[in-house]
Amino acid sequence: DQQVKQNSPSLSVQEGRISILNCDYTNSMFDYFLWYKKYPAEGPTFLISISSIKDKNEDGRFTVFLNKSAKHLSLHIVPSQPGDSAVYFCAAKASDFGNEKLTFGTGTRLTIIP
Amino acid sequence: GAGVSQSPRYKVAKRGQDVALRCDPISGHVSLFWYQQALGQGPEFLTYFQNEAQLDKSGLPSDRFFAERPEGSVSTLKIQRTQQEDSAVYLCASTVVSDTQYFGPGTRLTVL
Repeated sequence: DQQVKQNSPSLSVQEGRISILNCDYTNSMFDYFLWYKKYPAEGPTFLISISSIKDKNEDGRFTVFLNKSAKHLSLHIVPSQPGDSAVYFCAAKASDFGNEKLTFGTGTRLTIIP
Repeated sequence: GAGVSQSPRYKVAKRGQDVALRCDPISGHVSLFWYQQALGQGPEFLTYFQNEAQLDKSGLPSDRFFAERPEGSVSTLKIQRTQQEDSAVYLCASTVVSDTQYFGPGTRLTVL
């Protein structure tokens, strides 16, 4: 069963506009969420995270929103830049149980159009 | 400082061969994770070490997969009698306890 879902395999956005990537989860034990960015032939690079006690976390151009009741989170990138073109993975963990493993979604390929 | 390194970066094996994949974590990182990423999928958890102790190996797909971290630093993931379905990118990540996981570049394994 896919506990973390990214239903959009790909997304194209004009440079300078806002990119919104979505993620849904089913496991109510998840309490910590992360976004990773991946370029070809490289490992995932950490972008931003959010704890379930918050509903928003911002870091520069990146903002993550968490809606616990809907079990939904989103990553906003504004303004989008060509270097943002990559595959973005949403990940979650249930840290309260001392379980450090991450459960990933299948990724969304973001293409920024110059 | 240096990040997580993995070797080899690419490995081609004939079906039935044994392979060993190495991970050098960031110095001082207590926790180490192995993930398997199949084509078009997200990384999937295989196993987790805290120092030399293997605390969770629930993601290892079969008893052909074995991981060790004998001195609490470098880790090796061994796959015996490789099968075509083992073809994937194997990612290693390290972290201080309960912190962000930092990933290596991965080893792409192709089993012919």
